[in-house]
Amino acid sequence: NAGVTQTPKFQVLKTGQSMTLQCAQDMNHEYMSWYRQDPGMGLRLIHYSVGAGITDQGEVPNGYNVSRSTTEDFPLRLLSAAPSQTSVYFCASSYGQGFYTEAFFGQGTRLTVV
Amino acid sequence: KNEVEQSPQNLTAQEGEFITINCSYSVGISALHWLQQHPGGGIVSLFMLSSGKKKHGRLIATINIQEKHSSLHITASHPRDSAVYICAVNEGGSQGNLIFGKGTKLSVKP
Repeated sequence: NAGVTQTPKFQVLKTGQSMTLQCAQDMNHEYMSWYRQDPGMGLRLIHYSVGAGITDQGEVPNGYNVSRSTTEDFPLRLLSAAPSQTSVYFCASSYGQGFYTEAFFGQGTRLTVV
Repeated sequence: KNEVEQSPQNLTAQEGEFITINCSYSVGISALHWLQQHPGGGIVSLFMLSSGKKKHGRLIATINIQEKHSSLHITASHPRDSAVYICAVNEGGSQGNLIFGKGTKLSVKP
């Protein structure tokens, strides 16, 4: 099993550009989520999904969009990149409706917006 | 006030030392996770616990629900244990999302 796969690993964007961070898992997990990690702060929840067709906002959703058309994929879209979105992004998944079992994380995407 | 507090923020140890990282939380939880993040790498799950104690190799995690406190212990520390250790709690309810601590950066010197 590949687990949780995130692409790309690194990305540089210009202010105003849009892009999609990809996240895929092959464990048939219902729950998937996106976090951003900034220096001196704990990971913060951007969006999450408890199953295909169901998404909801987390703590810091502004400027990001998600969709969940399949169980496997949960892409994160930056609509118009801003320097404040420079961060490391992690996708995570778990069996069930939340982190009631083991959490699986992707390798992270380091995004720089210039 | 942060809902999940870790201490210490930074920890330097000599190889072979016994290490303790602490996590205190202020909310009711259904589960607590300990995670490990290596420099430049992803995050891996070490433990998920809701009561008592768990052991895996040289790692031991304990939790005291009444005191809202958990500890991660590393016995016979090794330089490869150098990483950031993150505590995260699941408040439960219908969402099951995690609230993360800021992490403890551990450096083990040979």
